[in-house]
Amino acid sequence: AQTVTQSQPEMSVQEAETVTLSCTYDTSESDYYLFWYKQPPSRQMILVIRQEAYKQQNATENRFSVNFQKAAKSFSLKISDSQLGDAAMYFCAYSSSGGAGGTSYGKLTFGQGTILTVHP
Amino acid sequence: AAGVIQSPRHLIKEKRETATLKCYPIPRHDTVYWYQQGPGQDPQFLISFYEKMQSDKGSIPDRFSAQQFSDYHSELNMSSLELGDSALYFCASSQWGGDNSPLHFGNGTRLTVT
Repeated sequence: AQTVTQSQPEMSVQEAETVTLSCTYDTSESDYYLFWYKQPPSRQMILVIRQEAYKQQNATENRFSVNFQKAAKSFSLKISDSQLGDAAMYFCAYSSSGGAGGTSYGKLTFGQGTILTVHP
Repeated sequence: AAGVIQSPRHLIKEKRETATLKCYPIPRHDTVYWYQQGPGQDPQFLISFYEKMQSDKGSIPDRFSAQQFSDYHSELNMSSLELGDSALYFCASSQWGGDNSPLHFGNGTRLTVT
């Protein structure tokens, strides 16, 4: 079974600065997906960024980027130019590829989450 | 754009009662996933459906059952409710061949069991 570990229960950052959230995972599969989800106080789950394991290039979405180290099974999220609206719980998540109709894709294993506080 | 709709948003039940949660996926999405998020916990996968058939099963108690209907909406039925069932229940949907289709989450149903 796959496991996802987020070793930072809480992190804080000053507005406009950069912060990195850590995530490690364990799997015996070679093809999979990794995600970062944001959960603000509204409790909605919002996809921040997605990485496909077969792609060596790190994913980037505006101020959000990842450092994907497949051999080390590490998947960190870097938030640049932090904004007050970035304050939330951040979950790292893993899913396998495949399954009927690719249904394994949505069967996510989440980490424990990291609460990010942004100070003005 | 249409999103995943979950109803009700909030539900309060007493122990041993039953509850039904509904999920309406994004149009043309044929795969539905259910998650349970306890207080201060990460979401846990419960069950998924593809084309109205159960495609995968996670840590779903035997007291819970679910199905996907012909219009692709899904219902999670929970019986003999326990205090520990109090949680936020998320539904998510995606489209077949979903490897390239983002997973869309609903806003969740908050179930409180008293």
